[in-house]
Amino acid sequence: DQQVKQNSPSLSVQEGRISILNCDYTNSMFDYFLWYKKYPAEGPTFLISISSIKDKNEDGRFTVFLNKSAKHLSLHIVPSQPGDSAVYFCAASAENTDKLIFGTGTRLQVFP
Amino acid sequence: GAVVSQHPSWVICKSGTSVKIECRSLDFQATTMFWYRQFPKQSLMLMATSNEGSKATYEQGVEKDKFLINHASLTLSTLTVTSAHPEDSSFYICSARDQAGYAWDTQYFGPGTRLTVL
Repeated sequence: DQQVKQNSPSLSVQEGRISILNCDYTNSMFDYFLWYKKYPAEGPTFLISISSIKDKNEDGRFTVFLNKSAKHLSLHIVPSQPGDSAVYFCAASAENTDKLIFGTGTRLQVFP
Repeated sequence: GAVVSQHPSWVICKSGTSVKIECRSLDFQATTMFWYRQFPKQSLMLMATSNEGSKATYEQGVEKDKFLINHASLTLSTLTVTSAHPEDSSFYICSARDQAGYAWDTQYFGPGTRLTVL
């Protein structure tokens, strides 16, 4: 039972363009969502998060959008840079729990 | 930034042996550490949550007698895979939460340990 899904295992984007990574969830109790970036042989690093009381959170080139009615969130990276090439995981947690549920990840490749 | 290390980074062992994986927070204290397992092309699955000085809390379906977790200090947690079998081969990742904060963005991940059981 995959509660957090990233249906695109990979994405290839040209440098300078927008990268859009998508994530869907099934548990309506989730109230906090995070995106992590992972390079090979390294642990995931926190990128950006959003609470369920918001529908958008922006940090520099990174923006996360949340559509609660559709149980969908997306990460926009603009402009994309070659250094953004990595695996991106979305994760979710429910209020008053000490647990993160991860998606399967999307491998982003930004080419020149 | 906060650093979490894991040792070893990879290990190969024979079936039936036990393997210990260490997770250390290098520049902060962590009252809570988490252990995850990731199979190829799958998501990180939480195995257990360990709190310094107390017993770990295991997720449903994770055998506590097989995956022994010890969190004896604020900077070290260990995961011991006992009597390892080939199906235990996986990528094990720990994370540590900085005790100075409670938000998810103060949880830092280690680089992972790849375990291969022959």
